[in-house]
Amino acid sequence: QVTLRESGPALVKPTQTLTLTCTFSGFSLSTSGMCVSWVRQPPGKALEWLALIAWDDDKYYTTSLKTRLTISKDTSKNQVVLTMTNLDPVDTATYYCARTRDYFGSGIFLMDVWGQGTTVTVSS
Amino acid sequence: DIQMTQSPSTLSASVGDRVTITCRASQSISSRLAWYQQKPGKAPKLLIYQASSLESGVPSRFSGSGSGTEFTLTISSLQPDDFATYYCQQYNSYPWTFGQGTKVEIK
Repeated sequence: QVTLRESGPALVKPTQTLTLTCTFSGFSLSTSGMCVSWVRQPPGKALEWLALIAWDDDKYYTTSLKTRLTISKDTSKNQVVLTMTNLDPVDTATYYCARTRDYFGSGIFLMDVWGQGTTVTVSS
Repeated sequence: DIQMTQSPSTLSASVGDRVTITCRASQSISSRLAWYQQKPGKAPKLLIYQASSLESGVPSRFSGSGSGTEFTLTISSLQPDDFATYYCQQYNSYPWTFGQGTKVEIK
């Protein structure tokens, strides 16, 4: 059974750095074709894809936040960490991590299993 | 970046209705489109990938079509469990992008 769980602070002050951890089980990030993505959703708004890290350590980021985001993995701990610098109240959102994998080895990568999300509020 | 535009933003329908949601991409994405269903307070759930392939376990009343820049999600006979928000997402190129969502409400 594949599970993912996001963890991190519920409240962060403006200008601070946010560190979120995705702890997963049921798959390995050392397996070819396996990745983890981060997606966020501000209250009442749409989903926004943030970043992806692949089994081979390739990394991809959303354009608007590229300078503020860093994604990394610890394969031995089955964890992926997302850091976001210089937080602003507009970064208030629920943050999800999702297993992302190559369906059928076809080069089609899909977010097929998601964590429950962690809510982060940015406020002084 | 590729922009994804969904219509309508909100849709009111009754149980048993046939429902269609449209998603347009700002440039061709071939068939690299997924549809997700999200219920309040829950994580999104993958319904369809490659524009028309049904994810395992998803009821057959859901179907998808399209290629290039225009795509549709159809629910053939709306069920009480289907009232939710639906998002399209392109995975043709990074950065991946979502549509703004379509909320399917009870009429």
